[in-house]
Amino acid sequence: KNQVEQSPQSLIILEGKNCTLQCNYTVSPFSNLRWYKQDTGRGPVSLTIMTFSENTKSNGRYTATLDADTKQSSLHITASQLSDSASYICVVSANNAGNMLTFGGGTRLMVKP
Amino acid sequence: DAGVIQSPRHEVTEMGQEVTLRCKPISGHDYLFWYRQTMMRGLELLIYFNNNVPIDDSGMPEDRFSAKMPNASFSTLKIQPSEPRDSAVYFCASSATGTGPYEQYFGPGTRLTVT
Repeated sequence: KNQVEQSPQSLIILEGKNCTLQCNYTVSPFSNLRWYKQDTGRGPVSLTIMTFSENTKSNGRYTATLDADTKQSSLHITASQLSDSASYICVVSANNAGNMLTFGGGTRLMVKP
Repeated sequence: DAGVIQSPRHEVTEMGQEVTLRCKPISGHDYLFWYRQTMMRGLELLIYFNNNVPIDDSGMPEDRFSAKMPNASFSTLKIQPSEPRDSAVYFCASSATGTGPYEQYFGPGTRLTVT
């Protein structure tokens, strides 16, 4: 069964600190892995999309890594800001079109001043 | 670009009533997706269209749910009759065919409450 597991479920950090969110998947076939940020009351927004051949990808203070051998990904947030408070969702896709997506349950991050 | 537009943003209705959710995708996008999000089940794909044609509706929970896309700029998701367990946030997303993975752009969602 295709699954995407994220940890931790929730996380509280102080502003300015770094954090790393984890994603493990058992999806096959694998095409790409996506990280989304979802603010409360809003739709998810794409942070990164990584294909099989990409090990790391950055988007500002967000850096995602992918180890396709161990089927693990991480999202590292550097110098956190209050606006980083959101849910972060890991999604694995079996194709480019994105209609074969398996969603993780998300990590809820709270950044405190 | 205004992004994906959904209406209404909030809907409260009584059990048994018909509910229609609306979506305007980003101009030029040829894929449209309807998702449902609940605390218990997270995000679930309900149905998706390619060039206005429904391709896969296997995620639609039951016959009470139907979706249409009469043209490239408009889609509806209808629930008839609605039930309390349909309460959720419904998202519409669109994407465009290109090289590599197609990035999906989500709308703000419609929060549906069925009492």
